[in-house]
Amino acid sequence: SQQGEEDPQALSIQEGENATMNCSYKTSINNLQWYRQNSGRGLVHLILIRSNEREKHSGRLRVTLDTSKKSSSLLITASRAADTASYFCATDEGYGNKLVFGAGTILRVKS
Amino acid sequence: EAGVVQSPRYKIIEKKQPVAFWCNPISGHNTLYWYLQNLGQGPELLIRYENEEAVDDSQLPKDRFSAERLKGVDSTLKIQPAELGDSAVYLCASSLNWATVANTGELFFGEGSRLTVL
Repeated sequence: SQQGEEDPQALSIQEGENATMNCSYKTSINNLQWYRQNSGRGLVHLILIRSNEREKHSGRLRVTLDTSKKSSSLLITASRAADTASYFCATDEGYGNKLVFGAGTILRVKS
Repeated sequence: EAGVVQSPRYKIIEKKQPVAFWCNPISGHNTLYWYLQNLGQGPELLIRYENEEAVDDSQLPKDRFSAERLKGVDSTLKIQPAELGDSAVYLCASSLNWATVANTGELFFGEGSRLTVL
């Protein structure tokens, strides 16, 4: 089963533009995480936001979390061609001790 | 520091044949995970090991899939016999323990083994 639903499924932007991806989930969580996956590679952890946090920054990444709406967004500012990848949100579904991933957003940054 | 190592990277087999995937986690990581990733989807957990004990294998199709983690280090995932629907990427991941994943997100993935069943 997949907990998170990412939106949009695919996003194509020009280098230098900002990219925003959204994630919605179904159950209560302790935290929400975002991962990146380059084509043909494994997933790489980007950022974790706890349920009592509303916003978090890491370099060009900004993550927000709205637990009342059960949703999160990932903003990548000043995108680069190297940001081209799939981005997945993951939650500890129902306070469980495993991560449940969404279906992901495919981001393409054109140079 | 070496990351999570998986082999083979690619495997093509005929249906009904057996196949095995191997994973070497990051040194010192007690928790090892096998995930299944279908095309266009996120990873889905198949099994999680704490040292050599399988603590969550509820999503592992036990009629044809098996896994082991002898001595609590390397792990092998086997499919016998393979079916057409098993074509996917099998990802291995490791963490110091589950708490570090929950608290810091320190879950490290290998590059995956892509299986094609003909």
